[in-house]
Amino acid sequence: GAVVSQHPSRVICKSGTSVKIECRSLDFQATTMFWYRQFPKQSLMLMATSNEGSKATYEQGVEKDKFLINHASLTLSTLTVTSAHPEDSSFYICGGRGYEKLFFGSGTQLSVL
Amino acid sequence: AQSVAQPEDQVNVAEGNPLTVKCTYSVSGNPYLFWYVQYPNRGLQFLLKYITGDNLVKGSYGFEAEFNKSQTSFHLKKPSALVSDSALYFCAVRAAGSGGYQKVTFGTGTKLQVIP
Repeated sequence: GAVVSQHPSRVICKSGTSVKIECRSLDFQATTMFWYRQFPKQSLMLMATSNEGSKATYEQGVEKDKFLINHASLTLSTLTVTSAHPEDSSFYICGGRGYEKLFFGSGTQLSVL
Repeated sequence: AQSVAQPEDQVNVAEGNPLTVKCTYSVSGNPYLFWYVQYPNRGLQFLLKYITGDNLVKGSYGFEAEFNKSQTSFHLKKPSALVSDSALYFCAVRAAGSGGYQKVTFGTGTKLQVIP
């Protein structure tokens, strides 16, 4: 079945460094990839929508220069958190659209010290 | 702007009893509706979806959901709850259509606790 592989599953980094999160769609082509951030209250907040080969569409309030999204191929999308700060610590989840539904990665827990 | 409301942060139900997790939505035009489940320390898993057709949709693990257009609701149900159903449930909506920019909006999630 369709699977989205997301890694790393957990990353701890120092403040000021950059972290890259990868999502790969396996067995299907995800022309659209969604990036979500899950807050401690358990809500999922859409950060951006990316389509293969074009610029990502960011939601209001999301800094595009801080959260760099690249969707270079139909099976790979990356989210780079640049100059990470402790307030960026969160759970990030990607979802690839296929067969009229979303297939999610297993998420990345980012902790910025 | 589209939105999803899950009015209950947590639902407690005894094992063997029927369960309902509520969801209402707002979207321009016809909706595509989804339910996802998140088990502890794991990613989101698809449960079921409504695109068109019968209002009662059957999904994985014995779950079903009923689309009610007049009430703009898509409540998740199961006739007999299992302890293993305890998890976090998310309702989601997007506008109908095949456009790549049709974003999916999630509710805030409902924690289901099935008591043995």
